[in-house]
Amino acid sequence: GESVGLHLPTLSVQEGDNSIINCAYSNSASDYFIWYKQESGKGPQFIIDIRSNMDKRQGQRVTVLLNKTVKHLSLQIAATQPGDSAVYFCAENNGYSTLTFGKGTMLLVSP
Amino acid sequence: ETGVTQTPRHLVMGMTNKKSLKCEQHLGHNAMYWYKQSAKKPLELMFVYSLEERVENNSVPSRFSPECPNSSHLFLHLHTLQPEDSALYLCASSQDPAQGNTEAFFGQGTRLTVV
Repeated sequence: GESVGLHLPTLSVQEGDNSIINCAYSNSASDYFIWYKQESGKGPQFIIDIRSNMDKRQGQRVTVLLNKTVKHLSLQIAATQPGDSAVYFCAENNGYSTLTFGKGTMLLVSP
Repeated sequence: ETGVTQTPRHLVMGMTNKKSLKCEQHLGHNAMYWYKQSAKKPLELMFVYSLEERVENNSVPSRFSPECPNSSHLFLHLHTLQPEDSALYLCASSQDPAQGNTEAFFGQGTRLTVV
């Protein structure tokens, strides 16, 4: 069946390092992908999105890369800060704005 | 603040109780959603409303009953729940999906505990 999943359940980095969170998707027809950040006790917050006609999109300190050939999505966070500690979810749009979410990766940033 | 407000933030209810979760969005969106977030599981879509009409019901048990009186408000009515229904219930909204912009904005969630 269709699925969106994450390679690493937990990623631990030092403050100032760059972080890379990966995501695999299986539905080659998906054309829209989103990264969300969820801090403890809060709902998911939009970070950045990308459409399938692009392979890279940059935001403030974040970059999303899309490799349609291998159906892989990644989120890069530059100069990771303690405030970046959270669970990160990738999600794919399956054609009607009903997002399918992966399990999430916990990012732990040590000072 | 995402523009999506959920109440209550926390709810403890017995298996014979009836309660309702409320969601309100101030973003002018036309679509609203209920998601369930359990420990160690991906977010599960429960219901989708577009222009106040239910467009998707992902095989959710009838003990969960949604209501969308207008495009800004969404309710989830709960009755005779089971302990395994304990979870974080998240409401979200988005613009009309037909416009292609399908980013969803989430509320803070209601942490539900069924005892």
